[in-house]
Amino acid sequence: GAGVSQSPSNKVTEKGKDVELRCDPISGHTALYWYRQSLGQGLEFLIYFQGNSAPDKSGLPSDRFSAERTGGSVSTLTIQRTQQEDSAVYLCASSLEGTNPYNEQFFGPGTRLTVL
Amino acid sequence: AQSVTQPDIHITVSEGASLELRCNYSYGATPYLFWYVQSPGQGLQLLLKYFSGDTLVQGIKGFEAEFKRSQSSFNLRKPSVHWSDAAEYFCAVGSTGFQKLVFGTGTRLLVSP
Repeated sequence: GAGVSQSPSNKVTEKGKDVELRCDPISGHTALYWYRQSLGQGLEFLIYFQGNSAPDKSGLPSDRFSAERTGGSVSTLTIQRTQQEDSAVYLCASSLEGTNPYNEQFFGPGTRLTVL
Repeated sequence: AQSVTQPDIHITVSEGASLELRCNYSYGATPYLFWYVQSPGQGLQLLLKYFSGDTLVQGIKGFEAEFKRSQSSFNLRKPSVHWSDAAEYFCAVGSTGFQKLVFGTGTRLLVSP
């Protein structure tokens, strides 16, 4: 079956603009995660969804970052008033259910965001 | 708080030689430990995981890892490296409650002919 898909694959934007990144999880997966991979950094957790609710938003770096998930499926990560330090690869992952550690997280290919 | 350290940023290994990538973690309880591989332009792929039981775990592509509680380590090994193993490798620890993963900064593996 299809894996996790993300769009766009690349996004170049100007500082101060808003961007939306999309994630389509694997069908039937109730848990969805966003991570950020910055140059020279590891992957940082941003937010976790179980269904449409987000029990943990602790990784969102500022109030310019928000995310939503509708219908227990597609998720959108929005970055308002982008800054150059937002440049990174944004990865989405999904798993069958979030509280069982045996449920593997499957990662999408990522969206590379460049803020000029 | 959980943390993961991968002390080697880059490692170069000759094709056919053995490989060991180091990972140290900090976590108060029994950790859930993972190794992921990221090939150029690809998403992350799970190589193997440790939850409990046998401390030597086998994964895909001929990789294995050993959990050593006394050393807080979970090093990844492969007896004979292939050119296709060139990639970036990430160690991660997961928490109870939900599987938020905390990743190390990664080790880039280069394979020389």
